[in-house]
Amino acid sequence: DAGVIQSPRHEVTEMGQEVTLRCKPISGHNSLFWYRQTMMRGLELLIYFNNNVPIDDSGMPEDRFSAKMPNASFSTLKIQPSEPRDSAVYFCASTSRQGGDTQYFGPGTRLTVL
Amino acid sequence: GENVEQHPSTLSVQEGDSAVIKCTYSDSASNYFPWYKQELGKGPQLIIDIRSNVGEKKDQRIAVTLNKTAKHFSLHITETQPEDSAVYFCAASKRDDKIIFGKGTRLHILP
Repeated sequence: DAGVIQSPRHEVTEMGQEVTLRCKPISGHNSLFWYRQTMMRGLELLIYFNNNVPIDDSGMPEDRFSAKMPNASFSTLKIQPSEPRDSAVYFCASTSRQGGDTQYFGPGTRLTVL
Repeated sequence: GENVEQHPSTLSVQEGDSAVIKCTYSDSASNYFPWYKQELGKGPQLIIDIRSNVGEKKDQRIAVTLNKTAKHFSLHITETQPEDSAVYFCAASKRDDKIIFGKGTRLHILP
């Protein structure tokens, strides 16, 4: 199994630009999570999906952030417009059962907003 | 909601010695407690987990203990090796709910 796949691995953009992060969960997993990691705030859950349906988006910082999961094998996290404070590593994780099961993390996307 | 506190934030131990990381949780309904290891440039990876019907679990040099009454759980690494240097996260969740992570412990193994 290829594991959770994220792209791009690194993204450098200028303030105000739109950023789209992509995630392919492990085949057969039905829950998908988006996290943001910074030195100051640690690992924060932004949003998670179960069977492609958003369950909890209370961690999404503001309306500039949006996430979609059009099918079981693909999800996107979009930031529009991006700001320097959005600079962080964004992780996607998937699991085969919502809560109580191992979350498998992708390698992350390091986002730098200048 | 659930809140997970993790201590210490940084830990340095001599190679071969033991390392202990402690966590507390707030929601008594939590019943699943995984530990993740994150190496530089990588995503967190599960190293061991424990469920609320078990008090202790061991896997080679790694062990976890759980005290449900006190809402404490701990990670113990014995005979530490250089490759144990990483950031470790504890977490807690209840069935069909999201996992809440601690802030992490940066473990340094000194030669």
